[in-house]
Amino acid sequence: AQSVTQLGSHVSVSEGALVLLRCNYSSSVPPYLFWYVQYPNQGLQLLLKYTSAATLVKGINGFEAEFKKSETSFHLTKPSAHMSDAAEYFCAVRRPYGQNFVFGPGTRLSVLP
Amino acid sequence: ETGVTQTPRHLVMGMTNKKSLKCEQHLGHNAMYWYKQSAKKPLELMFVYSLEERVENNSVPSRFSPECPNSSHLFLHLHTLQPEDSALYLCASSQEAGVNTEAFFGQGTRLTVV
Repeated sequence: AQSVTQLGSHVSVSEGALVLLRCNYSSSVPPYLFWYVQYPNQGLQLLLKYTSAATLVKGINGFEAEFKKSETSFHLTKPSAHMSDAAEYFCAVRRPYGQNFVFGPGTRLSVLP
Repeated sequence: ETGVTQTPRHLVMGMTNKKSLKCEQHLGHNAMYWYKQSAKKPLELMFVYSLEERVENNSVPSRFSPECPNSSHLFLHLHTLQPEDSALYLCASSQEAGVNTEAFFGQGTRLTVV
């Protein structure tokens, strides 16, 4: 069975500070991994994905994530937070030939002026 | 715009009403999903359709009834709902397998049961 944990249900950073959102997964096979962002009353939008190519993945809005197999982690980072980054962030895992996406509980990011 | 459209965006219904949520995708995907998102709870997978056949039903009460008439459309029929069913209902689609396997989400339907 696959599972995703996200450490910290709420993270606050100052504008211009580093953003680090943590994601750890468990999977019996090398998975595909995803980060999604959700703004209030909106659907989920893909930020980036890992599909067994480069371990450092760059996404939209200046975000990137690094797949570390030894740590079963896929943490999301951004060097400098912007006010518009305030949203809910979800990490998800999927088996390469499976249908289902398993989502983490989400981390709400607040950006303080 | 993700290519997945959900209607209506907002719905208020009484506990004795019958209503349907609609989801449409024109991305050529062959898998479609219904998720429920309640306040302070993780995303709950409700149903999965692959190649128009239901492949997953996560112990969802029978007052929720999905329908997938073709690969582009997915419905969620609602009847005799309870107030605790109030939530954001999200539809998503994806390719069943392969490298480009991310899910594309609609904007959601905000359902309020009164």
